[in-house]
Amino acid sequence: KAGVTQTPRYLIKTRGQQVTLSCSPISGHRSVSWYQQTPGQGLQFLFEYFSETQRNKGNFPGRFSGRQFSNSRSEMNVSTLELGDSALYLCASSPLQESNSPLHFGNGTRLTVT
Amino acid sequence: QQPVQSPQAVILREGEDAVINCSSSKALYSVHWYRQKHGEAPVFLMILLKGGEQKGHDKISASFNEKKQQSSLYLTASQLSYSGTYFCGTFNAGGTSYGKLTFGQGTILTVHP
Repeated sequence: KAGVTQTPRYLIKTRGQQVTLSCSPISGHRSVSWYQQTPGQGLQFLFEYFSETQRNKGNFPGRFSGRQFSNSRSEMNVSTLELGDSALYLCASSPLQESNSPLHFGNGTRLTVT
Repeated sequence: QQPVQSPQAVILREGEDAVINCSSSKALYSVHWYRQKHGEAPVFLMILLKGGEQKGHDKISASFNEKKQQSSLYLTASQLSYSGTYFCGTFNAGGTSYGKLTFGQGTILTVHP
């Protein structure tokens, strides 16, 4: 079974631009979560989607948005990029994203904002 | 709301034991443990559900004290492959936390030969 696939692996953008990151979950997994990982803040929850519906959102500005498609693939978008948005963005999939369901992480997209 | 892990870092020699703690200020449904090696994705280790159960994975085990809202990860007879950053993740009780796994800041474990 293929794992969680994130594209692209690396991105370099300049301030003010926008970026779209993509995540393909494990086949059969209907829940996709997004996390931002930085050395100072650790793993911060961005949002979670299940069956195309956003069920929860973390404490991030509205510049961060996402969506999930009918095939469970997900995208997240960051508009008006700031230097502080430089981070590793991790996507994780789960069959249900319930409390007893483990997360399977992709290798992440490393975003650098200059 | 973020669970607190302790210690922040641990240095061991092969064969030594370690304990990593995870504490939350909120009531918990479950605690997850993950390990992340440098440059890699976090990998799932185990889930502890309400009920104070203890689970094991090879020589790595964990406990969950629901009343104290704490979990501990026990690494016995450590191996070089145990090196990495360990994260606990918590699902808080309550509808507003639905679908949201909140991670601690991580504990860096280094095992030397």
